[in-house]
Order: sequence, then structure tokens, then C-alpha cells
Amino acid sequence: TQLLEQSPQFLSIQEGENLTVYCNSSSVFSSLQWYRQEPGEGPVLLVTVVTGGEVKKLKRLTFQFGDARKDSSLHITAAQPGDTGLYLCAGNQRDGGSQGNLIFGKGTKLSVKP
Amino acid sequence: DTGVSQNPRHKITKRGQNVTFRCDPISEHNRLYWYRQTLGQGPEFLTYFQNEAQLEKSRLLSDRFSAERPKGSFSTLEIQRTEQGDSAMYLCASSLLLGPNTEAFFGQGTRLTVV
Repeated sequence: TQLLEQSPQFLSIQEGENLTVYCNSSSVFSSLQWYRQEPGEGPVLLVTVVTGGEVKKLKRLTFQFGDARKDSSLHITAAQPGDTGLYLCAGNQRDGGSQGNLIFGKGTKLSVKP
Repeated sequence: DTGVSQNPRHKITKRGQNVTFRCDPISEHNRLYWYRQTLGQGPEFLTYFQNEAQLEKSRLLSDRFSAERPKGSFSTLEIQRTEQGDSAMYLCASSLLLGPNTEAFFGQGTRLTVV
């Protein structure tokens, strides 16, 4: 079974600071998705990275897919309280050669204090 | 808005009762997923459908859980003889499978509390 490990598990920072969260696996994924989830709500898709080495930017968020397509990172510049939430990475499981379910990491819980 | 819709948003039930949740996916999406999420954890896969076929079911899933997608559109998730450990957020997602890269879109979830 392919696993996605996210780090750190918790992150508490002051407004204006920069941060990076990581999503790692020993397996290759055809793509990885990043989601943000607020309490009591479903995850909201932020971005999908597909090509090894790919970098995508979404305003102050920068997503990178590792060259070997086994890991990804999310960097937030000048964090704001509105960035607070649970950040999840997810990838398509490929056991048995079938295109199976979408598996998730446990997430990074980010708190940005004003 | 034609996003993924889940009903009810909240359900409180007594231990031993049966509950059923409904998910209406984005209309053109052929894949539908059910996940369970407990506080502070990432979503845990339960099962998924491609059209009306249930293609995979988690080995961790108790036989008290059953899901259907009878016409390849909406889906229901039933939990029989609920236990306190079933208390969680139940999330539904849908996607349009195009090649190997699947982007799933989630509903707002159903929060189940078993008392």
C-alpha cells in the first residue's frame, strides 16, 4: 500500500512569516493534489501537480512536485490568518496496476496568529 | 452551484440504530468516493464507485457498512447497528476520470455522532 507522510503535523506561526510543509512517499505517484480543509467542512482542492519538477503558484502559495514524483512541498509566503487550516496532500493509489482510490496524508494543521 | 452535495450535514443517533447518508456528485463525474475522517486526521478511504460499479472497498471497513450507487448518479452510505466508534465526519467526493490523474471534489460532509 502506498503511503503519504506529511510534515510537520502541526505548525503555529505569526502573521507575515513564511512556511513550508512537506508530503513524502517511497512510491511514485502519477500526480499529487493539495487540499485545504477548514473545521467542519470538506477539503477544497488547491492544485494538482503532474510533471516531475513542476512548480505551480497560487498567489502566495507555491507548490512543487519532486523530480522523481515521490514528494511534494507547499510553501506559503507572508502567511495570513486566513491561511489557517488543515493542509492535505493526496495521490492516486496504483496497487495492482489499477487506478484505484485517492489516498491522503494525515495533514499539516496550520495556525497563523495575527 | 452544482458541487458535491451531502445530506444530512449532521446526524445524532443512538448506539445500535441504523443511519443512511446521501451524496449527490457533480453531474458529469463518473467516480464517487466515500471517506471517513476523525478529528485531526486525514480522510480515510472507505470505498469508491465508477459509474454504478463498486470497484474497491477498504479492508478496514466493517460489514456493518454498505454503500450503493444504483444508477451511477447519487450514492448512499448505510451504517447498521452504529457504535460510538463510528462517530466521525463522512465525506463524499466525485471526480471525472481522465487518464491517470484524478482530481476529486468534496462535499461538505456529514458529521455523525453516536451517543
